Order: sequence, then C-alpha cells, then structure tokens
Amino acid sequence: GENVEQHPSTLSVQEGDSAVIKCTYSDSASNYFPWYKQELGKRPQLIIDIRSNVGEKKDQRIAVTLNKTAKHFSLHITETQPEDSAVYFCAAPNTGNQFYFGTGTSLTVIP
Amino acid sequence: NAGVMQNPRHLVRRRGQEARLRCSPMKGHSHVYWYRQLPEEGLKFMVYLQKENIIDESGMPKERFSAEFPKEGPSILRIQQVVRGDSAAYFCASSPPAGGGEQYFGPGTRLTVT
Repeated sequence: GENVEQHPSTLSVQEGDSAVIKCTYSDSASNYFPWYKQELGKRPQLIIDIRSNVGEKKDQRIAVTLNKTAKHFSLHITETQPEDSAVYFCAAPNTGNQFYFGTGTSLTVIP
Repeated sequence: NAGVMQNPRHLVRRRGQEARLRCSPMKGHSHVYWYRQLPEEGLKFMVYLQKENIIDESGMPKERFSAEFPKEGPSILRIQQVVRGDSAAYFCASSPPAGGGEQYFGPGTRLTVT
C-alpha cells in the first residue's frame, strides 16, 4: 500500500515569511495529491491539489509542486498571515481511491 | 449546495454501549469514506463505500465496527460495545461518481466513551 511521510511536524514562521511543507510517497501509481488545512476542532478543508500530469499549481499565496521521479510533493505558502496557522495534511491515494494521509504539520505564524 | 453533513456532532457513550454515526454526502456524490482521528494525530482511513457496496474496509477493525451506505438515506458507521480507546473524532468524506479525485469532509462526530 501507499506510505506517505510528511515533514516537518511543526513549523513556526514570522508573519510575511514563506512556509514550505514536504511529503514523500511510495506508490508510483498515485496520480492525485491534495493538501488539507485543519483548524483546531474543525474539519479538514481542501486548499489545493495537483494531478500527476503537471509539475506545479498555484492559487494566490499557495502553491504545490510535484516531482514524480523523486516521489515527493510540497506545499508552499508565501506572505504568511496569522490566519494561516493550522495543521496541514498531505495525502496520496492508492489505486482504490483510499487516501493515505501524512502525519500533519502544525504551522504557527507569529505576528 | 449543502456540504457533507454528519450527525451527531458530539456523542457520549458509556463503555459497552453502541454508537451510530451518520453521514450524508454532498449532493451528487456517490462515494463515501470514513476516517478516524485521534487527538493531535492524523487521519486514518477506515472504510470506503458506494451505494449498497463496501469497496474497501481494510482500515476498519474486524470486530465491533461496521459500516453501510444504503440505497436510501445516509451512510452509517456503527461501533458496538464501545471502549475508551474508541474515543476520537470520526470524519466522513464524499467524492463525485468519477472517483480518483477530491474528497470533501464533513464536520465530524466527536465520540467520547466514559
């Protein structure tokens, strides 16, 4: 099955700086890579995703990059704001649509 | 378009009782997934269902846990004879019929076993 590893587990940045979170996966058949943001006590919310036929996708201050050869993908948040503080999860599917989630990164943006 | 709905939002059960968690997928979605999240941990896949079919239950404990998604009505995750270790947040997600893509999560049911 799929194995997803996520780093770092915690990340603190100053407001306005960039944050980068990295995930690696094991199943070369995985072709869809979402990122979720979860605030305390809330549901995971899909913030950006990428499919294996592209290498990068950007949505305002958020971008995701994918390196299929190396089997890793990264979330980039630029110009961070306090409201970006949350736990971020990456995920990768197996061939049966089951998502394997990373262990999460707790991001703190310091005002 | 209403999102994924779950109820109850909070559920307290004594050890040995049964817990029934309900999930209504987004309109037009026919795939439902259940995940369990322990405090300060990640999401662990439990079961994947389509209408009247269990597609993958490899993440669900073989005893005491069962899930269904009937032709009519919500998907139900049932936990029989609950134990304290079952205390967790249970999230349901749904995706469109094509599969292989976005999953949208409900607000979760927080189960506390006393």
